[in-house]
Formats: sequence, C-alpha cells, structure tokens
Amino acid sequence: SQKIEQNSEALNIQEGKTATLTCNYTNYSPAYLQWYRQDPGRGPVFLLLIRENEKEKRKERLKVTFDTTLKQSLFHITASQPADSATYLCALDMYGAGSYQLTFGKGTKLSVIP
Amino acid sequence: EPEVTQTPSHQVTQMGQEVILRCVPISNHLYFYWYRQILGQKVEFLVSFYNNEISEKSEIFDDQFSVERPDGSNFTLKIRSTKLEDSAMYFCASSRQLNQPQHFGDGTRLSIL
Repeated sequence: SQKIEQNSEALNIQEGKTATLTCNYTNYSPAYLQWYRQDPGRGPVFLLLIRENEKEKRKERLKVTFDTTLKQSLFHITASQPADSATYLCALDMYGAGSYQLTFGKGTKLSVIP
Repeated sequence: EPEVTQTPSHQVTQMGQEVILRCVPISNHLYFYWYRQILGQKVEFLVSFYNNEISEKSEIFDDQFSVERPDGSNFTLKIRSTKLEDSAMYFCASSRQLNQPQHFGDGTRLSIL
C-alpha cells in the first residue's frame, strides 16, 4: 500500500528564514502531489499542486519541487512569518491506479518564531 | 472565493444513535468526498461520489455509513448506529475534476458518548 512520510513532526525556524519541509513516498508513482495547510480545528486548505511532469511550482513565497526518481517532494516557504505557523500536509493521488482518493501524510507542524 | 460549508460544526451523539453530517460543496464541482481525522492522526479517505453514485470507498466506510446527494446542492454522510470509535473530525471536500485540487470544509467534530 501507499506509504507517505513527512520527515519531521515539528519544525521550528526563525522569522525571515526559509522553511523546507520534506515528503517522501513509496510503492506508487502518483500523477500529482498536493500540499495543504491545516490550522488547529480547521479543514485542510489547498496550497499547491504539482504534476509528475513538472519539476517545480511557485506561488508567491511558496515553492514545491517534485522528484519522481527520488520519490520526494520539497515544500519551501521563503521569508517565513509567524502567520505561516501551521501544520503542512502532503497528499498524493491514487489516480493512476484508478482511485479517487487522496492519501495524506501525518503532517509537519511548523512554528515560525518572531 | 467559493467554499465548502459543513454543518453542524460540532455534533454530540449517544452511542448507537444515527447521525447525519451535512455539506454544501462548491457549486460547479462534480466530485465529492468525505474524509475523517481522528484527534492527532492523519486525514483518512472515506468515500468519493460522482454522478450520483459512490465511486470508491475505503475499508472504514462499512455498512454503517451511507452518503447521499438529496438535491442539487447538499451532500450528506449518515452513520446509522454510531460507535465510540466514530468520534473524529469529518471533512467534506469537492473538486471540479478528478485530478484537480480538492477543497475542504472546516469539518464537523463528532463526539460519541
């Protein structure tokens, strides 16, 4: 079955620095990968989607890379702010296997310290 | 920006009772989903719904669960006879197409006593 690992449960960084979060997966090659932000008691909020034929995607201070050889995605937040503090979730599709579901990682809780 | 809305935000129910969780997906979306998140754990897929029928369901989605789109806007999840282990956040999501982002509501916190 699909396995997704987000390398750290928690990450603390200083305001203004770049946060880098890692998502590794095994057993399947997804057609696309998504990153979500989740605040306590709230639903996941979609941030970025990157497809298997894309190496990199950017949106404002966010950047995602997707290495299908390493089976890894990196998620970067540049010039981090305390408002970026949240749990970030990596999610993979099972589209290529004819599935509609997203499989989520456990998330990395990011704390940006002023 | 259009959003997925879920009601109620919190539901407290006695074990063995039936509960219905309600969702209004984004209006031009075609695919609908339910996920759940037990406290401190990851978000887990329950079921997907397209063209007025279930497309796929997980092992969690047993005979106690059902989904329905009773009209053009609502999408519901029913749990027939709730168990203590059904306590969780239940999220509804929708997407325009199959391989496009899924947009989530803020969930219903279900507490079974």
